[in-house]
Amino acid sequence: NAGVTQTPKFQVLKTGQSMTLQCAQDMNHEYMSWYRQDPGMGLRLIHYSVGAGITDQGEVPNGYNVSRSTTEDFPLRLLSAAPSQTSVYFCASSTRCRGGICYGYTFGSGTRLTVV
Amino acid sequence: GNSVTQMEGPVTLSEEAFLTINCTYTATGYPSLFWYVQYPGEGLQLLLKATKADDKGSNKGFEATYRKETTSFHLEKGSVQVSDSAVYFCASFPGGATNKLIFGTGTLLAVQP
Repeated sequence: NAGVTQTPKFQVLKTGQSMTLQCAQDMNHEYMSWYRQDPGMGLRLIHYSVGAGITDQGEVPNGYNVSRSTTEDFPLRLLSAAPSQTSVYFCASSTRCRGGICYGYTFGSGTRLTVV
Repeated sequence: GNSVTQMEGPVTLSEEAFLTINCTYTATGYPSLFWYVQYPGEGLQLLLKATKADDKGSNKGFEATYRKETTSFHLEKGSVQVSDSAVYFCASFPGGATNKLIFGTGTLLAVQP
């Protein structure tokens, strides 16, 4: 099925460990984003990309790296996990707005990360 | 700058009650506006959208009208069901070079039988 695929769905890390959250989309969308969702804080943008080879920081980029070597993939790397990074992470993709028409983002099902 | 403000929850209703969840936005231009829904344990799903002033988005009995004069996009449903219990997010999509989606903080809706 077409859409945004995130892996893993659940992960427990120890403080200081590193890991990569995977995100792939098969809709040929130009734009991809990573959000984290925390209770009472809604969704906050971590990093985003407007196309292969182009990435930029969102609201809360510290402690995370991204790369966009292909249109399909947009992995999120935690460099040295901290308990403050315990959260649910969502990847999303979108086509560009065209002619004033914007179609919104398609979201993956999320990765629930716990850092102990 | 661009921002979205939506009413705080939780909103608790009885089945078949009328629902309104308020959402207002600030933007330098004319963004596209969206409502997303998140059911327990799931990701966000697009519920409805409107791309210009006076547009009405609708889906699954939910409606929202893009009001430029009041910079609002309130979500309504005439008769809620228990299955509508979820978190609802209002979002603004200013477009342009970055295409960043700006979310409100979400409103939890709990519908009781």
